[in-house]
Amino acid sequence: AQRVTQPEKLLSVFKGAPVELKCNYSYSGSPELFWYVQYSRQRLQLLLRHISRESIKGFTADLNKGETSFHLKKPFAQEEDSAMYYCALSYTGGFKTIFGAGTRLFVKA
Amino acid sequence: DAGVIQSPRHEVTEMGQEVTLRCKPISGHNSLFWYRQTMMRGLELLIYFNNNVPIDDSGMPEDRFSAKMPNASFSTLKIQPSEPRDSAVYFCASRAAGSTDTQYFGPGTRLTVL
Repeated sequence: AQRVTQPEKLLSVFKGAPVELKCNYSYSGSPELFWYVQYSRQRLQLLLRHISRESIKGFTADLNKGETSFHLKKPFAQEEDSAMYYCALSYTGGFKTIFGAGTRLFVKA
Repeated sequence: DAGVIQSPRHEVTEMGQEVTLRCKPISGHNSLFWYRQTMMRGLELLIYFNNNVPIDDSGMPEDRFSAKMPNASFSTLKIQPSEPRDSAVYFCASRAAGSTDTQYFGPGTRLTVL
């Protein structure tokens, strides 16, 4: 069955430190993976998607099919990065998307 | 564009009452999704529509939950009768055609069932 696992419910780092939010998936086909972010009092919104191979707000994520992972990374965390982050997998032609449980990131001054 | 619109933003009701949540997707989007967010279970897909037709409602927890999309610009999620365990934030999202297109989320409705 399709599954997205985010093993950390909470991640706390100091400003300027590197951050990595882990995401592992289970899917037998070709996955379409996304990271969504929810800042305080804001809507859930797309941060980045693997197909675009882009860097948004300093974040990058590389799809590793061998390890079935799509970890989100940033070399130097900023306080404004504090938010809830969700990893998501789309399948069935993209109609269906499942989300991980989410990781709350706190960046301390 | 105001984005996806949901109403009400907050709803407090008593157990046993009927609750109706509303969603207006972004104009031109042909897919609509209803999600439920709780601390324990995270973000769960309840049902999604494509071109107003329900495609998969396997995430709907019980028969007490029902969803409709009578036209391209409106959808409802109804809970009847409501129970305290239904307390959660309910999100609606819409998406344009294409499997890699972004889902755009509404602000959510925070439901509290007493």
